[in-house]
Amino acid sequence: SQTIHQWPATLVQPVGSPLSLECTVEGTSNPNLYWYRQAAGRGLQLLFYSVGIGQISSEVPQNLSASRPQDRQFILSSKKLLLSDSGFYLCAWSSGQPQHFGDGTRLSIL
Amino acid sequence: GESVGLHLPTLSVQEGDNSIINCAYSNSASDYFIWYKQESGKGPQFIIDIRSNMDKRQGQRVTVLLNKTVKHLSLQIAATQPGDSAVYFCAEKAGADGLTFGKGTHLIIQP
Repeated sequence: SQTIHQWPATLVQPVGSPLSLECTVEGTSNPNLYWYRQAAGRGLQLLFYSVGIGQISSEVPQNLSASRPQDRQFILSSKKLLLSDSGFYLCAWSSGQPQHFGDGTRLSIL
Repeated sequence: GESVGLHLPTLSVQEGDNSIINCAYSNSASDYFIWYKQESGKGPQFIIDIRSNMDKRQGQRVTVLLNKTVKHLSLQIAATQPGDSAVYFCAEKAGADGLTFGKGTHLIIQP
């Protein structure tokens, strides 16, 4: 069966520091991969999606970037975090529909 | 613009009763709909989905109803249990576009 892993589960970072969140999927090949951000009490906002290695589409302009160095690995990064980057970051995968989510990373910026 | 939303941000039901969570969508081109359950501190969990060529789909204790005429989607949970407490999101998709999520409804189960 397919599984998706995100880490870390929680992260506290100072403003201006770099960021790297990792997501890996097991049990499937060539999945579509997604990064979402969820603000408190809000829905999910799609940040990036990828249909293959090295293929990244950005949905919203922001301080973040994404990379897909391997088929089942998706990384969310920032060179310098802003206070507004705080939130709950979710990775998801799909082969068609539906999308399946990881358990997220709670990012707090101080 | 096109959007997906929920009528009620919070729904409180008695344990054992049936729950109905509603969702309105505005994109008439949407052809796929999905419900997720999100427990505190966790990622959304897939519950059930439905395509626009169907009006109703049933799962285990859950039923999704789609009314394309009024662009309305609902999730019915039978015999609500304490473990059903969560935030429920609807999402819609039009063709090759990505999923658009609503803001969610918080379902509270009263003993």
